[in-house]
Amino acid sequence: NAGVTQTPKFQVLKTGQSMTLQCAQDMNHEYMSWYRQDPGMGLRLIHYSVGAGITDQGEVPNGYNVSRSTTEDFPLRLLSAAPSQTSVYFCASRRGADNEQFFGPGTRLTVL
Amino acid sequence: KNQVEQSPQSLIILEGKNCTLQCNYTVSPFSNLRWYKQDTGRGPVSLTIMTFSENTKSNGRYTATLDADTKQSSLHITASQLSDSASYICVVSVFSGNTGKLIFGQGTTLQVKP
Repeated sequence: NAGVTQTPKFQVLKTGQSMTLQCAQDMNHEYMSWYRQDPGMGLRLIHYSVGAGITDQGEVPNGYNVSRSTTEDFPLRLLSAAPSQTSVYFCASRRGADNEQFFGPGTRLTVL
Repeated sequence: KNQVEQSPQSLIILEGKNCTLQCNYTVSPFSNLRWYKQDTGRGPVSLTIMTFSENTKSNGRYTATLDADTKQSSLHITASQLSDSASYICVVSVFSGNTGKLIFGQGTTLQVKP
């Protein structure tokens, strides 16, 4: 099993550009989530999904969109990048609400 | 408000020494508490899980404790190694049906020096 994979590992964008961060898992997990991690702030939930076709907002959803068309994939879209979105982004998945969460290796995004 | 607070924010110890990291939470209703280890440049990895009825759990040199009455948990690292240098994150799961809400602490950064 590859676990949770994310692409790209690094990305530099200009303000106003859009892009999609890819996330995939091969563990047949129902729950998937996107987090951002900033220095001194810990991990903050952006969006999450409890199954294919079901998504919901986390605590910092503004400027991001998600979709979940398959169990395996959960892409995160930045609509119009802003410097405040400079961060490290982690995708995670778990089998159920109380199960262990597995994290991807992260995407380091810089917005100039 | 559901909250998880960790202390200290950072810690430096010498290789071979023991240390204890603290996690206080105000989360209700409580489901479980996990400690994660995050190496620099990598995603967090689960070390231990504690449920309401458990008060001690070990994973090698890592021992987690939970006091559900005082809402405190600790992670004790014995005979530290250079590879223990990482951030340690306390995560509490809220018992809320299928939503699976997680409350994250800000983490403790541990540096083990030779």
